[in-house]
Amino acid sequence: YELTQPPSVSVSPGQTASISCSGDKLGGKYACWYYQRPGQSPVLVIYQDFKRPSGIPERFSGSNSGNTATLTISGTQALDEADYYCQAWDSTTAGVVFGGGTKLTVL
Amino acid sequence: QVQVQESGPGLVKPSETLSLSCTVSGGPISGRGYHWGWIRQPPGKGLEYIGNTHYSGSSYYNPSLKSRVTISVDTSENQYSLKLRSVTAADTAVYYCVVAVAATGTLDYWGQGTLVTVSS
Repeated sequence: YELTQPPSVSVSPGQTASISCSGDKLGGKYACWYYQRPGQSPVLVIYQDFKRPSGIPERFSGSNSGNTATLTISGTQALDEADYYCQAWDSTTAGVVFGGGTKLTVL
Repeated sequence: QVQVQESGPGLVKPSETLSLSCTVSGGPISGRGYHWGWIRQPPGKGLEYIGNTHYSGSSYYNPSLKSRVTISVDTSENQYSLKLRSVTAADTAVYYCVVAVAATGTLDYWGQGTLVTVSS
């Protein structure tokens, strides 16, 4: 099973950034998202398609339908600049798949 | 809150076996809802899921690595381990131990990562 993300996305400060994640019938699975700053471990920002862990700002939101999951960052800030990874979970096998990652640039 | 921490050699010779351990604190490794896993990230590249295991003995391995990987749990030490056999330079990466929460399908807890270099 493969998940496909765009390698890079650019956004101006204060604007909305959208990062897509495509996979066969992905809408039938739960998708989650992580961000990773250089030299740091990834951090979960969205789980079960649209839920936010405690401590994650409301400007992060998610959706998942059909073959595409989308992470949306509203009012993007400079500190949101990072690599973002989508992930899917196979509840039958406990298998995990990552997308290739998207570098978000805020400029 | 569960915490995990990797340990092991930072340098492994080609053709040898890479062995890492992950120490679990803040909860028992026999926790039913957790799968104990490993992820790696080659320098400058993306995340690759290696596999996971449950204390009951069930395991999942990335098909691309399955023939070379074993992940096992030591309940007496509250640790789990990764063994990757016949390594090459392509196995050079930062290796993370992670905790997968079955109820949400997410990797909720991550170690800080440890760089393993394969070189003679």
